[in-house]
Amino acid sequence: NAGVTQTPKFQVLKTGQSMTLQCAQDMNHNSMYWYRQDPGMGLRLIYYSASEGTTDKGEVPNGYNVSRLNKREFSLRLESAAPSQTSVYFCASSELGANTEAFFGQGTRLTVV
Amino acid sequence: GEDVEQSLFLSVREGDSSVINCTYTDSSSTYLYWYKQEPGAGLQLLTYIFSNMDMKQDQRLTVLLNKKDKHLSLRIADTQTGDSAIYFCAEAGDSNYQLIWGAGTKLIIKP
Repeated sequence: NAGVTQTPKFQVLKTGQSMTLQCAQDMNHNSMYWYRQDPGMGLRLIYYSASEGTTDKGEVPNGYNVSRLNKREFSLRLESAAPSQTSVYFCASSELGANTEAFFGQGTRLTVV
Repeated sequence: GEDVEQSLFLSVREGDSSVINCTYTDSSSTYLYWYKQEPGAGLQLLTYIFSNMDMKQDQRLTVLLNKKDKHLSLRIADTQTGDSAIYFCAEAGDSNYQLIWGAGTKLIIKP
């Protein structure tokens, strides 16, 4: 069972470059999330999609955009990468919101130089 | 605002019990979760407790919830090397879609 699949696993960008992180889930979940994980800070929510066709800002949305392409896929775009966006990014999905179990992808380690 | 706090590290001897603590601020929390993150991997749900419960036991895991003090703990009995990981506490607060996460406690097992 694939669960939540993220690509790529690793990426190095130069300041100002753009990229899109891809995420797909095969569990027919309604809700999907993008988090960043920084040392000593836990997980911070960047954007979420409560259901297909909707997206909302989380705690730290600046510098990011998202697209809920269909029920399975939720992508995160960095339009102009900055060193402050160096982090590990996790995509997650849940059946319906915060009161249901979240399933996480393996993470993308992004370095912006 | 809402906040969840945990110690960053806990070191225990193999075979001893580990107790990881968490405090939260949102009294309206419905579910409180413990997630486990092994090195290089995503997070996986370990266990959870509903806010109207005081205790939940699942094999080697015991979760205690003190709603008055807004304190949550995870006890791992007979800690093994495979328990080495980062343990995150999270609460489902006011928002239906946003979990509030602690910084994670790294559990270090000494032989």
